[in-house]
Amino acid sequence: ETGVTQTPRHLVMGMTNKKSLKCEQHLGHNAMYWYKQSAKKPLELMFVYSLEERVENNSVPSRFSPECPNSSHLFLHLHTLQPEDSALYLCASSQEGGLAGVTDTQYFGPGTRLTVL
Amino acid sequence: QKEVEQDPGPLSVPEGAIVSLNCTYSNSAFQYFMWYRQYSRKGPELLMYTYSSGNKEDGRFTAQVDKSSKYISLFIRDSQPSDSATYLCAMTKTGWAGGTSYGKLTFGQGTILTVHP
Repeated sequence: ETGVTQTPRHLVMGMTNKKSLKCEQHLGHNAMYWYKQSAKKPLELMFVYSLEERVENNSVPSRFSPECPNSSHLFLHLHTLQPEDSALYLCASSQEGGLAGVTDTQYFGPGTRLTVL
Repeated sequence: QKEVEQDPGPLSVPEGAIVSLNCTYSNSAFQYFMWYRQYSRKGPELLMYTYSSGNKEDGRFTAQVDKSSKYISLFIRDSQPSDSATYLCAMTKTGWAGGTSYGKLTFGQGTILTVHP
């Protein structure tokens, strides 16, 4: 077990639903990340939080809304999604945020498999 | 042009074979190089991590970096069926957003490896 947990593991939602993905890290890390993994595409970085501050929004549509209430928890709120948003959503954490994060290794959770109907 | 190129395979080898997985990259700003392994329905787990040109060995795994050629490799000796997974190369550089720097991890597409008994 990596020390990063994600719930739910599977989620099916309609285009008009609102749902949230939850990530929790038990490693005492200061930075957390959301990634999207689609079939036959590299992992795409979505958001970066360092010390609970969002430091990167990688051109993600506003129908994805992240929230980081503390350094151990990260949420991804979903609303009015499209079928092409169906993918594996991965959360990761690393020890440091900021520039020190360049030398960091990121630890991933198991992901939430999202299907949008 | 993608910043990181990785042959997606799939690659199928017999048990005991030596496996060679490769990535090329185009941006000399990448500083740290990693290999992740991802089993089906799991998140990526870190296998190897290096920052300098040369070889780094860990058991049956050897990571090789050639910064002058912008080329990295992962070798698996005496491959086992349990090595069957998707292997992702990844590399970090400094990312900037809103005046804040952070470590930005860029992944290759991943190579699907099957080791058959």
